[in-house]
Formats: sequence, C-alpha cells, structure tokens
Amino acid sequence: NAGVTQTPKFQVLKTGQSMTLQCAQDMNHNSMYWYRQDPGMGLRLIYYSASEGTTDKGEVPNGYNVSRLNKREFSLRLESAAPSQTSVYFCASSELLAQGNEQFFGPGTRLTVL
Amino acid sequence: LAKTTQPISMDSYEGQEVNITCSHNNIATNDYITWYQQFPSQGPRFIIQGYKTKVTNEVASLFIPADRKSSTLSLPRVSLSDTAVYYCLVVPISGNTGKLIFGQGTTLQVKP
Repeated sequence: NAGVTQTPKFQVLKTGQSMTLQCAQDMNHNSMYWYRQDPGMGLRLIYYSASEGTTDKGEVPNGYNVSRLNKREFSLRLESAAPSQTSVYFCASSELLAQGNEQFFGPGTRLTVL
Repeated sequence: LAKTTQPISMDSYEGQEVNITCSHNNIATNDYITWYQQFPSQGPRFIIQGYKTKVTNEVASLFIPADRKSSTLSLPRVSLSDTAVYYCLVVPISGNTGKLIFGQGTTLQVKP
C-alpha cells in the first residue's frame, strides 16, 4: 500500500498562474483533507471532503477550490496564485473522524509563488 | 471547538522520559484527545489517542485526568530520532468532523 500520495513534490509558480495539486489514497477512506503549513506554524485546514461527492470549507479556503474526483482522489486548485500561498501543502485521509479514527498524511507539496 | 495550549519547545537528553502537557479547558463530553508527531519535511503521523484515564501503545502513553481539561503525552527513554514537533488535538465526535485545529505544537529537541 502506498498510503497517501501527492504530486508534484515541488512547484514554483509566478503570481497569477494556476495549478492543481493532486492527492490519491489507497486505503478506501471516506474522508480526505487539504492542509497548508507555513514556516514554524501548525497545519491549517483548507478544505475537506467527509465523503465522496461532498466538500466543505475549512479554516482558510480563500483562493482555493477542490474536487473530490472519486473516493480515491481529492485535488486542490489554485486559480490565480499569490505569494501569500507559498507554503507546504499536505493531503490527508481517514475514516470518519467522528468515530475517533486517525488521519494519514501524504509527504507534502512545497509550493513557491514568486 | 476546544482550543489547546502546549509549550512551544522542550529540551531533553537521550534516555530520559519526556512528558508534554496539553491544556484543553473547553473540551466537550464526547471529544477525544489525539497526539500527532511531525518530523521536518514530512506530514504528521498519529501517535496515540484517548478519552480518559491512561492509554499506552508501543511508542507512548497518554494520561488524562478525571476532569479531562488537560492531558500528558509521555515518551519513555527518548532517542535523538524523537526530535520532532508534537501536536495535541481535540477531535470532536459530533459535527464539524473535518475541522481539526493543530496549533503550533511543541518542538522537542533531544540532545546526546
């Protein structure tokens, strides 16, 4: 099992460019999440998908869109990148947290916006 | 959602026991307490989770007093490889299941 995979691992964008971060999990989890982590800070939730076909905003959704393509895949799109979006992005998956299950994280995507 | 407070940093030496305490005064009746570990350039990894009293697994113990307003993660005999950031989270059981708050965590530095 690969667990949670993310592509790309690194990306440099210019201000105003768009891109999509890809995430896939092979654990048959219902819930998936996107977080960002700025230097020296904890993780902040951008969007999450409690189950296939549903998405909800997290703490910092502005400037991002998401698509739950199927049960395995959850993508994060930056339509017009800004330097403030320079960060490390982590995708995670879990069974329903309401039942006390843990989240499994991917290796992260390091994004720099110039 | 219950807010958590933990020390920003801690130092220890190899072989010592390390205890990291987290305060969560507004914890709700059915909330779980969960700890994650994060190494540099990696995503967080689940360590342990509990509801009350004591939970132990192969890597750590979690102590939760009766009032559940705090919890203590105990790492026995730490090694250099335990140097990491440790996050305490309160996981809501009902509603807002995706809205976890990680906070800044506790940076543990283990010295030789």
